[in-house]
Amino acid sequence: GAVVSQHPSWVICKSGTSVKIECRSLDFQATTMFWYRQFPKQSLMLMATSNEGSKATYEQGVEKDKFLINHASLTLSTLTVTSAHPEDSSFYICSARPTGGAGYTFGSGTRLTVV
Amino acid sequence: GENVEQHPSTLSVQEGDSAVIKCTYSDSASNYFPWYKQELGKRPQLIIDIRSNVGEKKDQRIAVTLNKTAKHFSLHITETQPEDSAVYFCAASVYNQGGKLIFGQGTELSVKP
Repeated sequence: GAVVSQHPSWVICKSGTSVKIECRSLDFQATTMFWYRQFPKQSLMLMATSNEGSKATYEQGVEKDKFLINHASLTLSTLTVTSAHPEDSSFYICSARPTGGAGYTFGSGTRLTVV
Repeated sequence: GENVEQHPSTLSVQEGDSAVIKCTYSDSASNYFPWYKQELGKRPQLIIDIRSNVGEKKDQRIAVTLNKTAKHFSLHITETQPEDSAVYFCAASVYNQGGKLIFGQGTELSVKP
């Protein structure tokens, strides 16, 4: 089946530093990837839609200068949390739609802790 | 944009009873409605999905119903087991146009032995 590999699975960083999260589609080409954030005991909130070769589309209220998304190839999308603060601590997860109408495939998620 | 409302937020049932979780959506163009089960710290796992050209779909103890006119869909779990305890999310998307998947708020299901 379609697999999306997400790294790292967890990361601890100091306040003010930047963290990059990668999502790779291993056996299909993903022209579009979706990035979500999930706080404890809450739902998955869509942050942005990442489009290969073009600018990402951000959801209302998401700071595009803080959450940089790059989708430079058909198999790789990255989310960089810039100048991270403790309130950015969350579970970040990516998703893609493999061709063939088989629904959505999710990465394994990244637990970000900012100290 | 799409808005998905999910109820209840918590649900406790006795083992063997049925559980029903309901969702409503706002965008009449939505045509794909998946249900996910999520364990703590893990990715959502698809348990069943339904497309807008179908009113009901069943897979063993799990069924989903869709009412396009009313814009609501429901998850039905029969003969619940303790291992069904988890957080369940509904979601909706316009699958063939952009495809943003919007999630409901989630339901924490507890099945008591």
